[in-house]
Amino acid sequence: GENVEQHPSTLSVQEGDSAVIKCTYSDSASNYFPWYKQELGKGPQLIIDIRSNVGEKKDQRIAVTLNKTAKHFSLHITETQPEDSAVYFCAASPNSGYSTLTFGKGTMLLVSP
Amino acid sequence: DVKVTQSSRYLVKRTGEKVFLECVQDMDHENMFWYRQDPGLGLRLIYFSYDVKMKEKGDIPEGYSVSREKKERFSLILESASTNQTSMYLCASSFDSGTGGSYEQYFGPGTRLTVT
Repeated sequence: GENVEQHPSTLSVQEGDSAVIKCTYSDSASNYFPWYKQELGKGPQLIIDIRSNVGEKKDQRIAVTLNKTAKHFSLHITETQPEDSAVYFCAASPNSGYSTLTFGKGTMLLVSP
Repeated sequence: DVKVTQSSRYLVKRTGEKVFLECVQDMDHENMFWYRQDPGLGLRLIYFSYDVKMKEKGDIPEGYSVSREKKERFSLILESASTNQTSMYLCASSFDSGTGGSYEQYFGPGTRLTVT
């Protein structure tokens, strides 16, 4: 089945810096790659996603890049703010015929003022 | 506003008890999912359902069962709770286009279950 590796497990940055989180996946047939943000005491919430026919997608301060050949995708957050502090999960949708996701283990991002 | 609700935020049960976790979504989604979340392990899929009365095993189904009698409701059942089932349980739902493509999953706030 699909395996998603996520790095780093923790990331500390200063407010205003950029943050990058990287994921690799194993199933070359995976075609959907969402990123979720989980704040304390809440369920994960989608922040951005990308499909395999697109190489990059941007939404204000966040962007996702996908390299299908290398089977990796990354989340980029620019001009980080304290409210960006949360746990971030990447995921990949294996080509199973079902709409399931395989998640990475998560990255705790801490943005210091 | 889309919403996934879970019956309890916190639950404490004894070893051997039968435990029911309930999830309700108001978005008329076809797909519903149960995950458990443990520190350092991320979200792991227990079971999912793509239609009423239909269910499929996820990656860690052992010790769990599910029930989906109505489209909006998906229940996770621990037949005989054990201490290694102490965890955060998250329910999610998503639209299904019928072509196998994946779409955004909407999550509930989670139920923190402690089995003593």
